[in-house]
Amino acid sequence: AQKITQTQPGMFVQEKEAVTLDCTYDTSDQSYGLFWYKQPSSGEMIFLIYQGSYDEQNATEGRYSLNFQKARKSANLVISASQLGDSAMYFCAMREMDSSYKLIFGSGTRLLVRP
Amino acid sequence: GAGVSQTPSNKVTEKGKYVELRCDPISGHTALYWYRQSLGQGPEFLIYFQGTGAADDSGLPNDRFFAVRPEGSVSTLKIQRTERGDSAVYLCASSEHGDSPLHFGNGTRLTVT
Repeated sequence: AQKITQTQPGMFVQEKEAVTLDCTYDTSDQSYGLFWYKQPSSGEMIFLIYQGSYDEQNATEGRYSLNFQKARKSANLVISASQLGDSAMYFCAMREMDSSYKLIFGSGTRLLVRP
Repeated sequence: GAGVSQTPSNKVTEKGKYVELRCDPISGHTALYWYRQSLGQGPEFLIYFQGTGAADDSGLPNDRFFAVRPEGSVSTLKIQRTERGDSAVYLCASSEHGDSPLHFGNGTRLTVT
């Protein structure tokens, strides 16, 4: 079974608009962490935001926020005020901390910001 | 400070040859990870080190793949008898602790001809 599911292979958003990238996960661990990474065409993996399973508040980092719905096992990334430089692949990832600290990635969503 | 360094950035080898890929993590980071990324896909976990020991090697696809981290810093991923299907970008990442975010290197693009 897929641990991390990103159902949107590609998304478009108009510059300055907000966009939500979907991520659902599957785990039986009580303690886990959820991460989002950005990968521009240059190939580097850039850490954006982290949400712990016990965090009661949704994580925010600048224009990025994570909409964490534990009961639904979803961890959607919201990017506000999109910029052209936000065009990239976005990967959701999970670390199950009851078992191993390895990070498991989803298949990614390609975001294209239109001017 | 310096980030995660991977060498070489590109490697072309013939089918059946042996290759070594090197990763120099961020100084002081105790955890080190290897991933493989094929075009258009997410990174696929290979192995994770905590210090010198492999804490989880469940992602290594077969016994042609092996990784070491003898002094708890630099790591080498070794691939024997390379196959065309091994062609991918091999990413290394390190983190300060087991539960900290991963910081990635720029990867080694391996092409097996």
